[in-house]
Amino acid sequence: KAGVTQTPRYLIKTRGQQVTLSCSPISGHRSVSWYQQTPGQGLQFLFEYFSETQRNKGNFPGRFSGRQFSNSRSEMNVSTLELGDSALYLCASSRDGGARTEAFFGQGTRLTVV
Amino acid sequence: AQTVTQSQPEMSVQEAETVTLSCTYDTSESDYYLFWYKQPPSRQMILVIRQEAYKQQNATENRFSVNFQKAAKSFSLKISDSQLGDAAMYFCAYRSALGSARQLTFGSGTQLTVLP
Repeated sequence: KAGVTQTPRYLIKTRGQQVTLSCSPISGHRSVSWYQQTPGQGLQFLFEYFSETQRNKGNFPGRFSGRQFSNSRSEMNVSTLELGDSALYLCASSRDGGARTEAFFGQGTRLTVV
Repeated sequence: AQTVTQSQPEMSVQEAETVTLSCTYDTSESDYYLFWYKQPPSRQMILVIRQEAYKQQNATENRFSVNFQKAAKSFSLKISDSQLGDAAMYFCAYRSALGSARQLTFGSGTQLTVLP
């Protein structure tokens, strides 16, 4: 069974640009969550999608957005990039996003903003 | 809001020895789950062990066990017979079992070094 796949693995962007990151969950998983990991702020929750609907959102500015497709694949978009957006972005999928359900993480996308 | 605190940024252990990583959390909820995740250099977060708050019995998974003290809001991870492959960043995480907020709240992590 394939794991959670995040693409691309590495990305370098310039301030002011926008970026789209992709996450393909494990087959059969309907919940996808995104986290930002930085040395200063640690791991912070961005948002969760379930059956194409955003079910929960963290405390991030509106420049951060996401969506989920009918095949459960998810994308997150960051517009007007800032230097502080440089981070490892992790995606996690689970069967139903329930509290007890195990979340499986991808290897992340390392975004560098210059 | 829930918070998770890991007060040990770095720990080291000799191979085959035992090490305990500390975690405390703050919550007003009574029903929740606690997790320990491992993040090796590959960056992929891997679930090590899970504890359900309403279960008094401490969870164990092979060489990994927890000491869950609900009243003290403490959740430590014990790694027995440490192996070189255990070297990684370890994160303690909290997840509410109530309402729609099912995201994981992570601590700041403990970098574990295993010495040969």
